[in-house]
Amino acid sequence: DAKTTQPPSMDCAEGRAANLPCNHSTISGNEYVYWYRQIHSQGPQYIIHGLKNNETNEMASLIITEDRKSSTLILPHATLRDTAVYYCIVRRPGAYSGNTPLVFGKGTRLSVIA
Amino acid sequence: GAVVSQHPSWVICKSGTSVKIECRSLDFQATTMFWYRQFPKQSLMLMATSNEGSKATYEQGVEKDKFLINHASLTLSTLTVTSAHPEDSSFYICSARGDRARGEKLFFGSGTQLSVL
Repeated sequence: DAKTTQPPSMDCAEGRAANLPCNHSTISGNEYVYWYRQIHSQGPQYIIHGLKNNETNEMASLIITEDRKSSTLILPHATLRDTAVYYCIVRRPGAYSGNTPLVFGKGTRLSVIA
Repeated sequence: GAVVSQHPSWVICKSGTSVKIECRSLDFQATTMFWYRQFPKQSLMLMATSNEGSKATYEQGVEKDKFLINHASLTLSTLTVTSAHPEDSSFYICSARGDRARGEKLFFGSGTQLSVL
């Protein structure tokens, strides 16, 4: 799986959009970008994933650059409950990666401030 | 709702005792589950891959005789920390890949905080 680079920490004011960047310059053509987050003392939670088109769900939006070497996770209206460590992971999708585990980097610690 | 159930959420034990942690996939079968360990302010580290009906595969540096994994059924994997010591105190998390209805994404249990006195 391709490696990713994320800033170690970010702050965001409550109610504002949180934009979390991720660099994955060595991503290959069949690899997707996945985002998970981990709230303190809980297991990681799936947020969103995408291949090359921008994606949106009830939790967040994912913007992937045209060259696919970087992406941005957007939480449109951050709340205090969004304070967590956010992990950007690049890998082939489940059907093709078989039973391989997720490999976690250090992620970005997002602090949402009132 | 939760897709992967992990129990207990936290456990305190005396040094030298053994502790069993259960991980269950809810409403789907998981032939493979993964066990992670996480120390404070660090990322998740993969410990082992649990395979139903066969031996687990351990990551380098993880003692298989200390961390016993049993994947007895398609919905249950257990991790037993044997002869626990204070340095085994950590947050243990299991993971399983969901079925097609769940997009085959990897789901995680809520974690088990182990404290060894």
